[in-house]
Amino acid sequence: GAVVSQHPSRVICKSGTSVKIECRSLDFQATTMFWYRQFPKKSLMLMATSNEGSKATYEQGVEKDKFLINHASLTLSTLTVTSAHPEDSSFYICSARIGENEKLFFGSGTQLSVL
Amino acid sequence: DQQVKQNSPSLSVQEGRISILNCDYTNSMFDYFLWYKKYPAEGPTFLISISSIKDKNEDGRFTVFLNKSAKHLSLHIVPSQPGDSAVYFCAASRFRGGADGLTFGKGTHLIIQP
Repeated sequence: GAVVSQHPSRVICKSGTSVKIECRSLDFQATTMFWYRQFPKKSLMLMATSNEGSKATYEQGVEKDKFLINHASLTLSTLTVTSAHPEDSSFYICSARIGENEKLFFGSGTQLSVL
Repeated sequence: DQQVKQNSPSLSVQEGRISILNCDYTNSMFDYFLWYKKYPAEGPTFLISISSIKDKNEDGRFTVFLNKSAKHLSLHIVPSQPGDSAVYFCAASRFRGGADGLTFGKGTHLIIQP
């Protein structure tokens, strides 16, 4: 079946540094990729939607300058958390969509801890 | 403002019995509903979905029921098996295909006891 690979699975960084998370679709070309964030005991919250070759669409309340999304190809999307702060510590997960398929495929997630 | 609510953080069911996971939503614009299953250290995997034009969809041991007037859906698993132990997320979308992304509930941790 389709696989979405997300790296790294866990990252610990110092406050003020930037962290890049990669999401790759391995068996298919993803027309759309979504980035979600999950705080402890909360639900997955959609952060942004990106389509290959175009700028990402951010959800209300998500800072586009802080969470940089690049979807340069149909198989790769990256999320960069710039100048990370402890409040950015969260679980980040990507999902990819093939055409009109409603079965979104998820990566395994990245646990970010900012010290 | 939680648009999709799963009010039971956990549910314990004996192996062989029926598991019923519930989900409520508030946004009447939602037209498509999905259930995802998640194991630790893995991403959610799609389980079953239902469109608002239906009230039931069945796939093997899994059946999803939708009561649109009550804005309520439920996932039935019968018979429950040990491998069903996982976190189950209810999700909703305004469009088939989730073009607008999905709105998730907090999840219910299902524990199947032998």
